[in-house]
Amino acid sequence: GAVVSQHPSWVICKSGTSVKIECRSLDFQATTMFWYRQFPKQSLMLMATSNEGSKATYEQGVEKDKFLINHASLTLSTLTVTSAHPEDSSFYICSARDQGPRSYNEQFFGPGTRLTVL
Amino acid sequence: GQQVMQIPQYQHVQEGEDFTTYCNSSTTLSNIQWYKQRPGGHPVFLIQLVKSGEVKKQKRLTFQFGEAKKNSSLHITATQTTDVGTYFCAGRQSGGSNYKLTFGKGTLLTVNP
Repeated sequence: GAVVSQHPSWVICKSGTSVKIECRSLDFQATTMFWYRQFPKQSLMLMATSNEGSKATYEQGVEKDKFLINHASLTLSTLTVTSAHPEDSSFYICSARDQGPRSYNEQFFGPGTRLTVL
Repeated sequence: GQQVMQIPQYQHVQEGEDFTTYCNSSTTLSNIQWYKQRPGGHPVFLIQLVKSGEVKKQKRLTFQFGEAKKNSSLHITATQTTDVGTYFCAGRQSGGSNYKLTFGKGTLLTVNP
């Protein structure tokens, strides 16, 4: 089945630093990827839709200058949390949509990145 | 904006008992998907329902899509300890673009062996 990887799986950083998270679709091409944030025991909150070759679409309330998204190729999207603060600590999960002819347009999720900001 | 409500938030059952989680959307959906997230893991796609009134089965799991395409349910017969996890429904708004999904809050299922 379709595989999505995420790197790093966890990161601890100091307040004020920037952190880049990579999301890769390993065996399929994805023009659309999604970035979610999940707090403990809560649902997935969509942050933004990442579109290959164009600007990301951010959900209401998500600061685009704080959460920079780059989708430079059909298999890679990156999320950069700029000037991270403790309140940015969370589980960040990406997903990629399989657009193949046999797909259900389901989203395949990466394993997530646990960000802790000290 | 679109809202997807899911109940119950938690369900604890004895192994062998049945389990059902319900999903209700504030708007008509073009399709609804169900995902399972094991503790410490990431969501894994289970199924997609597209047609009004559609019913699909996967072994002990039965998925239904309401006639009005605004609600859905997942029923597990004779639960096993391997069924433990959080079950999310995720709806795509009718006429929506970008294949954006709105997730319900999920139902955490725990099974007592």
